Amino acid sequence: GQQLNQSPQSMFIQEGEDVSMNCTSSSIFNTWLWYKQDPGEGPVLLIALYKAGELTSNGRLTAQFGITRKDSFLNISASIPSDVGIYFCAGQSIPLIQGAQKLVFGQGTRLTINP
Amino acid sequence: KAGVTQTPRYLIKTRGQQVTLSCSPISGHRSVSWYQQTPGQGLQFLFEYFSETQRNKGNFPGRFSGRQFSNSRSEMNVSTLELGDSALYLCASSSSGTGVYEQYFGPGTRLTVT
Repeated sequence: GQQLNQSPQSMFIQEGEDVSMNCTSSSIFNTWLWYKQDPGEGPVLLIALYKAGELTSNGRLTAQFGITRKDSFLNISASIPSDVGIYFCAGQSIPLIQGAQKLVFGQGTRLTINP
Repeated sequence: KAGVTQTPRYLIKTRGQQVTLSCSPISGHRSVSWYQQTPGQGLQFLFEYFSETQRNKGNFPGRFSGRQFSNSRSEMNVSTLELGDSALYLCASSSSGTGVYEQYFGPGTRLTVT
């Protein structure tokens, strides 16, 4: 089945540093999504990407949809303590039934920030 | 708008029992998807419902089933529980407009099977 390889698995950084993580796949996706999950909660949608090459920002977060449609990356600038959590990439391929939803998730990147 | 709600938040069941989890989507959202999250397997897609019909299905055994009601609320049922079914079960809703695949997640139901 489809799999997403997300890296790094974990990051330990200093407050104020920039963060970069990425996802790659052997399959093509037509949508890439990035989520953040805090302990005991469900994932929260951060950014959605729909076009190859698209670069989208949401505050200090910037994500890009790779040209090959097989990868995406997420950058966080000037990290702050509330950025701590697990970040997931998710991909949606073109469904057999129009509109049918099925996200494939990466394994997550656990971000820890040292104050 | 209120977000996705899931009940109950926590559940403890015994092996062999069955369980039903409930999900209320964001108002106006007609698509509801279910995912299982475990430390070992991560987030795995179970199934998706739209207009009371299962539109997509993941690779889970038939013990896992679901349904959707006319008000878009959805339930997920697991029969003959196994220890390995212990997980966080997440439901997500989407407007499922043309080409829209943004899914919004609820807080999840933490199921523990003993």
